[in-house]
Amino acid sequence: EIVLTQSPGTLSLSPGERATLSCRASQSVTSSFLAWYQQKPGQAPRLLIYGASSRATGIPDRFSGSGSGTDFTLTISRLEPEDFAVYYCQQYGSSPITFGQGTRLEIK
Amino acid sequence: QVQLVQSGAEVKKPGASVKVSCKASGYTFTIYYIYWVRQAPGQGLEWMGIINPSGGSTNYAQKFQGRVAMTRDTSTSTVYMELSSLRSEDTAVYYCARVSGGIDYWGQGTLVTVSS
Repeated sequence: EIVLTQSPGTLSLSPGERATLSCRASQSVTSSFLAWYQQKPGQAPRLLIYGASSRATGIPDRFSGSGSGTDFTLTISRLEPEDFAVYYCQQYGSSPITFGQGTRLEIK
Repeated sequence: QVQLVQSGAEVKKPGASVKVSCKASGYTFTIYYIYWVRQAPGQGLEWMGIINPSGGSTNYAQKFQGRVAMTRDTSTSTVYMELSSLRSEDTAVYYCARVSGGIDYWGQGTLVTVSS
């Protein structure tokens, strides 16, 4: 099983700042089958990035994903008020599918 | 538009079973696999398994083997997830989710509460 470890656990930033979220895998993720999701309270997660770096439909270009192998990054270039939420990474290249434990992005 | 509409909240006693439905619309049902993912209160996301709506084949997370069954009805474009021998730790929101480059659509979630 591939274990995904996200860091930091909580990130405190102000609107307009840049956010960098990390996701590290215990073994290489097949074909960069790595996705990122945003979840707000009381809502289902929303797909932001798939294939490590491809933005999902309708996702603003301030969100970008990068990485390969075991190290992946989600970057939000300039934080908007609606970006404060919990973010999860997920690998879907090998079974069982696994998620990271999440990074909470909070307003400073 | 693509929609996954799940059945309503359930309250069950320990040892009972629950069956959650997920009705798909807005796309060809048999083309996309469906995951079931759960989220305990205040916790992260946990993958339970996957079903192929076309042939009905399944793959379950080892943690749930023997306790979970995922089925589908192509005539109504509905998938089902049944979890048996419920315990308090199974209290969670259960989501069905369409597989496409990750998960592109999620159901609204079904809260299952296990309490005596």
